[in-house]
Amino acid sequence: EVRLVESGGGLVQPGGSLRLSCEGSGFTFSEYWMSWVRQTPGKGLEWVANIRQDGSRTSLVDSVKGRFTLSRDNAKSSLFLYMYNLRPEDTGVYYCARESLYCGGDCSMFNSWGQGTLVTVSS
Amino acid sequence: DIQLAQSPSSLSASVGDRVTITCRASQTINTYLNWYQHIPGKAPRLLIYETSNLFPGVPSRFRGAGSGTGFTLTISNLQPEDFGSYYCQQSFTTPRTFGGGTKVEI
Repeated sequence: EVRLVESGGGLVQPGGSLRLSCEGSGFTFSEYWMSWVRQTPGKGLEWVANIRQDGSRTSLVDSVKGRFTLSRDNAKSSLFLYMYNLRPEDTGVYYCARESLYCGGDCSMFNSWGQGTLVTVSS
Repeated sequence: DIQLAQSPSSLSASVGDRVTITCRASQTINTYLNWYQHIPGKAPRLLIYETSNLFPGVPSRFRGAGSGTGFTLTISNLQPEDFGSYYCQQSFTTPRTFGGGTKVEI
């Protein structure tokens, strides 16, 4: 059974930092792109970032560029999101999602999700 | 970035009804459109990928259609467990983007 378990969320003041982790099991972690998706209060889902299988390429949504970075440790089947200079609008539940490519690699789907970890940015 | 406009933003329906949710893209995305269900307190769940393919384990009452810029998700014979929010998502380009969501109340 595929499992993704996030951790590291919590309450942080504006301008603070957090590191989120996601541990995968039940599949070959190193074979998949991985993404972070968040749901902010009163709003819907927002894709935040993804990372290539070998960690050599990352992409981030404009609103977090320069403040968030991500990495992975395939030996430990783990994904990380480093969040700096946090803002109140970053408050939300952060989900780790496995991204499977198809269409010959031209398209993808998020076919497994974790339960999420709550990040609250407030003074 | 590609914007996805979903409608309606919310709807109320009864068990056994058929409901249709629309997703319109700001530019063509081929058929690279997925649909997810999100029930509060649970992990989001993939329902449909590449416009019309049912993800394994998803009941056949869920159906997706469309191409280019216009897409629909239809739920036939609505069941109590279908309450929650539904989101379209495009994988044509990065950043991946989601629609604003449709809240289905039974």
